Amino acid sequence: QQPVQSPQAVILREGEDAVINCSSSKALYSVHWYRQKHGEAPVFLMILLKGGEQKGHDKISASFNEKKQQSSLYLTASQLSYSGTYFCGPDFYGQNFVFGPGTRLSVLP
Amino acid sequence: GAGVSQSPRYKVAKRGQDVALRCDPISGHVSLFWYQQALGQGPEFLTYFQNEAQLDKSGLPSDRFFAERPEGSVSTLKIQRTQQEDSAVYLCASSFGYQTNTGELFFGEGSRLTVL
Repeated sequence: QQPVQSPQAVILREGEDAVINCSSSKALYSVHWYRQKHGEAPVFLMILLKGGEQKGHDKISASFNEKKQQSSLYLTASQLSYSGTYFCGPDFYGQNFVFGPGTRLSVLP
Repeated sequence: GAGVSQSPRYKVAKRGQDVALRCDPISGHVSLFWYQQALGQGPEFLTYFQNEAQLDKSGLPSDRFFAERPEGSVSTLKIQRTQQEDSAVYLCASSFGYQTNTGELFFGEGSRLTVL
């Protein structure tokens, strides 16, 4: 039940925007987003619980569609510090986290 | 401590040796997860504890892998007769909530296991 993430990798220049998608074949209880920098532990970004929900902080936001099967992470005006691998973590009710394969984001000066 | 603590950070084992990896979660966290992360891959689920109960061990790759959390706090992941394919970073994560309301996962720095 691993989710599908796209794209696998993206390269940006500072200030450019990016969208990372996560989709599941089954409706989810919630979806988490994490960022992992090389050699470090994954760090929580946000969780979405409700269909149709949108939330964000700073220039990173996310949405969760009405059917709770798809989520997108939006990175606007990217900064060098945004570089890393982004994972979505779908929470299937009563089951455990199976992280997506990740999207490697590289932000260049 | 303030965060999830894992030890050792690095472990080199000869093939066939047994290893034990320790995870000290955030105090009061009910849920504890173990993940295996190979180089360049996403974290792969191994097992889940709710307090001292191991509710899901479906991700353990073989019977050489064993995990416990006897008092509902510190957890140990044991790998017997290590093989080269066991080389990976083993991540521990804890969460305040229960399985169906886990909320944010807090990850430790991981234990990097290299089997020669």
